Amino acid sequence: QVQLVESGGGVVQPGRSLRLSCAASGFTISSYAMHWVRQAPGKGLEWAAGISYDGSDKYYADSVKGRFTISRDTSKNTLYLQMNSLRAADTAVFYCARKPMAAAGTLFDSWGQGTLVTVSS
Amino acid sequence: SYVLTQPPSVSVAPGQTARITCGGNNIGSKGVHWYQQKPGQAPVLVVYDDSDRPSGIPERFSGSNSGNTATLTISRVEGGDEADYHCQVWDSSSARVVFGGGTKLTVL
Repeated sequence: QVQLVESGGGVVQPGRSLRLSCAASGFTISSYAMHWVRQAPGKGLEWAAGISYDGSDKYYADSVKGRFTISRDTSKNTLYLQMNSLRAADTAVFYCARKPMAAAGTLFDSWGQGTLVTVSS
Repeated sequence: SYVLTQPPSVSVAPGQTARITCGGNNIGSKGVHWYQQKPGQAPVLVVYDDSDRPSGIPERFSGSNSGNTATLTISRVEGGDEADYHCQVWDSSSARVVFGGGTKLTVL
């Protein structure tokens, strides 16, 4: 069955970098658009970044543009989020999510369990 | 940027109908998707494209979208429906995914 497993979270100092990974199984990420969605403690969901099914287009929220980079390794069936210049406001649970292949619009039919990133000195 | 507005909380007695709104400028022209999120868990898609249900989601969950308001309706509410509900759209003008602030549904 479809499974998404995030890793790479942890405690990091402001200004430092962190790379999140999302290992997919049960499907091939090269056929699906994939996204990162984050949720600060006690807050709502906030979309962070997305990558098209063929990897040619990447999209970013204004709050992370220029600091975060979404990428993928199809040979490993893994999605990544490189996060640089981290701020306290980036503290959140980060989820990877899949857009269904047949969907005309952008929505998410599968989510990982999330990985917690804490930015603190 | 496009903004979606949800009430912070909605309360309903078991067996009654809960309606959770999601407001946005001309939201009726967009496809709206709804997610249920229970504490400590990842979100789950419960309604997509305004009113369609993924397989496995009970018929008690339904949606509508017109004008400036989309609505998630949960009929015959059960205790297990207590959760946060998030609406979401794709804003094509900015190429951004937008979420509402989320609504906490409390079953009295």
